[in-house]
Amino acid sequence: NAGVMQNPRHLVRRRGQEARLRCSPMKGHSHVYWYRQLPEEGLKFMVYLQKENIIDESGMPKERFSAEFPKEGPSILRIQQVVRGDSAAYFCASWKTDTQYFGPGTRLTVL
Amino acid sequence: GQQLNQSPQSMFIQEGEDVSMNCTSSSIFNTWLWYKQDPGEGPVLLIALYKAGELTSNGRLTAQFGITRKDSFLNISASIPSDVGIYFCAGQRTQGGSEKLVFGKGMKLTVNP
Repeated sequence: NAGVMQNPRHLVRRRGQEARLRCSPMKGHSHVYWYRQLPEEGLKFMVYLQKENIIDESGMPKERFSAEFPKEGPSILRIQQVVRGDSAAYFCASWKTDTQYFGPGTRLTVL
Repeated sequence: GQQLNQSPQSMFIQEGEDVSMNCTSSSIFNTWLWYKQDPGEGPVLLIALYKAGELTSNGRLTAQFGITRKDSFLNISASIPSDVGIYFCAGQRTQGGSEKLVFGKGMKLTVNP
C-alpha cells in the first residue's frame, strides 16, 4: 500500500461510543483523503485535508464526524456516538503527482 | 453522491481467458484510474490515465481513457488465478483545489484454474 499506514486495522465499538481512526500518509506527503466503503460498494469520498487545514469536507456527514491533520502526527478521523450504520471500511489515501495511493483501511464494526 | 457506472458487476472466467470491463459517467473527468482490491485490503493502483484518448499498458493490463473523457475501459489478457479480486474504476477532477475520486461499484473477478 505504498507506505500509507492506518491503524487500527480493525475496531469494534458499541453504539454511542467514539471511534478514532488514524492515518499516516507516505513520508513527506502533506495531503490526505479519507474515503468510506460500505459492503459491496465502491469507495465514497469524505474529506480532504492538508496539514492543519481542511480543504474539502463535502462528503462528511454533518453530525458526529470530524477530521484533523495536525502539524505533527497522523491524520485522525473521529466518529462520535457511533451507530450501526457507521460500520464500514475507512480508507485514507496519500496524494502524489496526480495519483492517490491507499492505505490498508480500518474496518469499523459497531455492535 | 455521484458514482460511476461500472460493468459488468462480476465475471467468472477460465484461466488464460481475457476479460474486459468499462466505466461510464455523465460527467467529464481529468484523470481515470483503475484499482484492484483484495479482501481485507485497500485498493492498489493498476493504471492511471491522464489524457483523453490515451491507451496505456501495464504488463497484461491495458486501459484507455475515452475520447469524450466520460468513459474508460480495462482489459486483462491471459488471466491467471492471482487476478482474482475486485476491480474499481475511479474518475478524478479538480474542484476547488480538491482532487477527490469518484468510484464505480466494482467488478468482482473469479478465475477458475
